[in-house]
Amino acid sequence: AQTVTQSQPEMSVQEAETVTLSCTYDTSESNYYLFWYKQPPSRQMILVIRQEAYKQQNATENRFSVNFQKAAKSFSLKISDSQLGDTAMYFCAFMNRDDKIIFGKGTRLHILP
Amino acid sequence: DGGITQSPKYLFRKEGQNVTLSCEQNLNHDAMYWYRQDPGQGLRLIYYSQIVNDFQKGDIAEGYSVSREKKESFPLTVTSAQKNPTAFYLCASSPDPNTEAFFGQGTRLTVV
Repeated sequence: AQTVTQSQPEMSVQEAETVTLSCTYDTSESNYYLFWYKQPPSRQMILVIRQEAYKQQNATENRFSVNFQKAAKSFSLKISDSQLGDTAMYFCAFMNRDDKIIFGKGTRLHILP
Repeated sequence: DGGITQSPKYLFRKEGQNVTLSCEQNLNHDAMYWYRQDPGQGLRLIYYSQIVNDFQKGDIAEGYSVSREKKESFPLTVTSAQKNPTAFYLCASSPDPNTEAFFGQGTRLTVV
């Protein structure tokens, strides 16, 4: 079975610092897609970044970037210059070739003023 | 406006009653999904559908049923066989294979 593991249930960092959220996954497929979603207190799910497994280059979106290590099945999210508005639950997700999307249990991130 | 609409936002039902959660999208997306969110459990997949008149069980399908008679609609029925139905339910859709899912605002179901 395909699984997604987020080993950090909760994290806190000071505003303007850099923080890295961890994610590992398990699959026997060679081509797949990975995502990070953000869920603020409103509970609306927002896509932060996506990565295609066949692309070696790590995805970046402004202050958000990933470290994709395919052999290690690792997909961490780095948030640079963190802002108060980054406070949220962050979910790592995996999409297989059948369009099934599996989520991890999430990391609750607190940005402290 | 285009989007995914879940209704109602809050829903209360008595134990033993079936209840149907609505999910409608006007984005012309092919794939649709239902997830359940509980504290500390993340999002768990209940059912998903890649095309009209076809759907697949997710990891926690027991006690739930779905239909996909129209492209824009994917209702979820929580039956009396679901042991712990109280939860936050999220519906999502995706435009093409291998693209990200877009989410509705969710329905909070409370069974008393």
